[in-house]
Amino acid sequence: DIQMTQSPSSVSASVGDRVTITCRASQGISGWLAWYQLKPGKAPKLLIYAASNLQGGVPSRFSGSGSGTDFTLTISSLQPEDFATYYCLQADTFPYTFGQGTILEIK
Amino acid sequence: EVQLVQSGAEVKKPGESVKISCEGSGYTFTKYWIAWVRQMPGKGLEWMGIIYPGDFDTRYSPSFQGQVTISVDKSISTAYLQWSSLKASDTAIYFCARVLVRHGLDVWGQGTTVTVSS
Repeated sequence: DIQMTQSPSSVSASVGDRVTITCRASQGISGWLAWYQLKPGKAPKLLIYAASNLQGGVPSRFSGSGSGTDFTLTISSLQPEDFATYYCLQADTFPYTFGQGTILEIK
Repeated sequence: EVQLVQSGAEVKKPGESVKISCEGSGYTFTKYWIAWVRQMPGKGLEWMGIIYPGDFDTRYSPSFQGQVTISVDKSISTAYLQWSSLKASDTAIYFCARVLVRHGLDVWGQGTTVTVSS
């Protein structure tokens, strides 16, 4: 199976900050990576698919980049509702696999 | 509107069986894989397995092979996840989600909490 290594495992930031989360695949996955936001008591929300495509309805402060093995999710100016846990998911080969998650906390 | 609606919370004892469900609506159910994802308390998301309702093709993540059974009744657009003998370590929230191949999981159910305790 393809292993996904996500970093950092947690980050503290303030409203208005720019935050970047990275995900590294154990082998090349082309651009087949998605990013999710998870809040307690809610279903995960798809933010980005195919590495850099913004899902409909997702604010433009979210962006993704990367290909091959290295990917990033950037939130350009944090809003209060962005404090959550973020996961990457490789969608290249079944079984798809998630990163370990990044907890984004308020500083 | 595309939706996946899951069955309600379950509280079971170790050794008991349970079958939870995920009903799709608003799209052609037989044309998309359905995935099951586990979230144990305080832990991350884990890919359990998938099923293609069109031909019942089912694929399990190695960690879950033999531990659970994924099935589908396409006549009622419903996927299932079942256990024959629960363990306390099966306590988790279980999500179903629609798979867009190469794009990930675009629509999710609301989650079903399974609690296994003596």
